[in-house]
Amino acid sequence: GNSVTQMEGPVTLSEEAFLTINCTYTATGYPSLFWYVQYPGEGLQLLLKATKADDKGSNKGFEATYRKETTSFHLEKGSVQVSDSAVYFCALSSGGSNYKLTFGKGTLLTVNP
Amino acid sequence: NAGVTQTPKFQVLKTGQSMTLQCAQDMNHNSMYWYRQDPGMGLRLIYYSASEGTTDKGEVPNGYNVSRLNKREFSLRLESAAPSQTSVYFCASTKDRDRGTEAFFGQGTRLTVV
Repeated sequence: GNSVTQMEGPVTLSEEAFLTINCTYTATGYPSLFWYVQYPGEGLQLLLKATKADDKGSNKGFEATYRKETTSFHLEKGSVQVSDSAVYFCALSSGGSNYKLTFGKGTLLTVNP
Repeated sequence: NAGVTQTPKFQVLKTGQSMTLQCAQDMNHNSMYWYRQDPGMGLRLIYYSASEGTTDKGEVPNGYNVSRLNKREFSLRLESAAPSQTSVYFCASTKDRDRGTEAFFGQGTRLTVV
């Protein structure tokens, strides 16, 4: 079945530091890949997505590239802010009758001023 | 724009009590889902409803039942709560079941079973 493995947290950075959160996946077929973010006390919301190999998703300064050869979708941001403190989830989905959104375990990011 | 609304936000139950978690979406989405979130486990799918009138089991359905009341509403029922059901519950909806479709989540219900 499908699975997502993302780096264990927590991750603590200083403001303006570079962020990488690793994500690898196992899936049959051609899944879409997502990063969702959960701010404290809130539900998850979509951060970015990519639907085919070599696509780059980007939003709010975050980027991730769908790498089929390495089955990876690593999240990066060049300069994090305190407001980026949240839990980040990598996820994948296959569509149609077998549609299912499969999540990684989440990575807690804390950014200090 | 309300999106996905869950009630209640917090609940404490005694072992053996029952309760229903309510979820409603105002985006005219076809599919709805219930997840539970536990520390170090990510989100796990309990039940889903691909379309109005249908429901199916997810990864962890034991101890739960669901009802897709209409296109807008999808409720989750715990018939006899157990401490193992202490968790944060999220309802989500999607417009369709295309693999690239975005899921929209409610703010969650934090349930404690004592």
